[in-house]
Amino acid sequence: GENVEQHPSTLSVQEGDSAVIKCTYSDSASNYFPWYKQELGKRPQLIIDIRSNVGEKKDQRIAVTLNKTAKHFSLHITETQPEDSAVYFCAAHFIQNFVFGPGTRLSVLP
Amino acid sequence: NAGVMQNPRHLVRRRGQEARLRCSPMKGHSHVYWYRQLPEEGLKFMVYLQKENIIDESGMPKERFSAEFPKEGPSILRIQQVVRGDSAAYFCASSLDRQPQHFGDGTRLSIL
Repeated sequence: GENVEQHPSTLSVQEGDSAVIKCTYSDSASNYFPWYKQELGKRPQLIIDIRSNVGEKKDQRIAVTLNKTAKHFSLHITETQPEDSAVYFCAAHFIQNFVFGPGTRLSVLP
Repeated sequence: NAGVMQNPRHLVRRRGQEARLRCSPMKGHSHVYWYRQLPEEGLKFMVYLQKENIIDESGMPKERFSAEFPKEGPSILRIQQVVRGDSAAYFCASSLDRQPQHFGDGTRLSIL
């Protein structure tokens, strides 16, 4: 069935450094890839998304890249801040539903 | 524009009871998705509904679980005869046209 893998499962960076989270998906028909940030006990919040007709998208300190041939996409956070600490989920849209990756716990150390 | 509203935020049930979780989508949104999240785990798709129709229920157990999204009123996820393993956070998301999805605050279901 459809599958989304996400790496790493945990990531610690120093404040000001960059963080990169990578995801791969199984169904080449997927055409939409959102990223969500979830703080402890709170709702997942959409932070950025990308569609399959675009290779890269940027929003201030956050960027997402997509390689359709290799079926992988990545989240890049630059100049990390303590408030970036959270669990990040990637997802891929498969026909009627979404499949989420298992999440990456990002810790930004002051 | 109010976000996705879920209630109750916390629900405690004893084994064998029924649990009803409600989700009011964002204004104008006709697509509703339900997800289940266990502690320290990702979001597992359960069911996708549009007004009065179940589009995809492939992630929902065949027994004890049901979902609806009536013409008027919120979407309901219903769990009959709850068991300990049903304890989880249940999130609802809505969208205008399948993408993007916006999530509610979730319902934390605890089974005693």
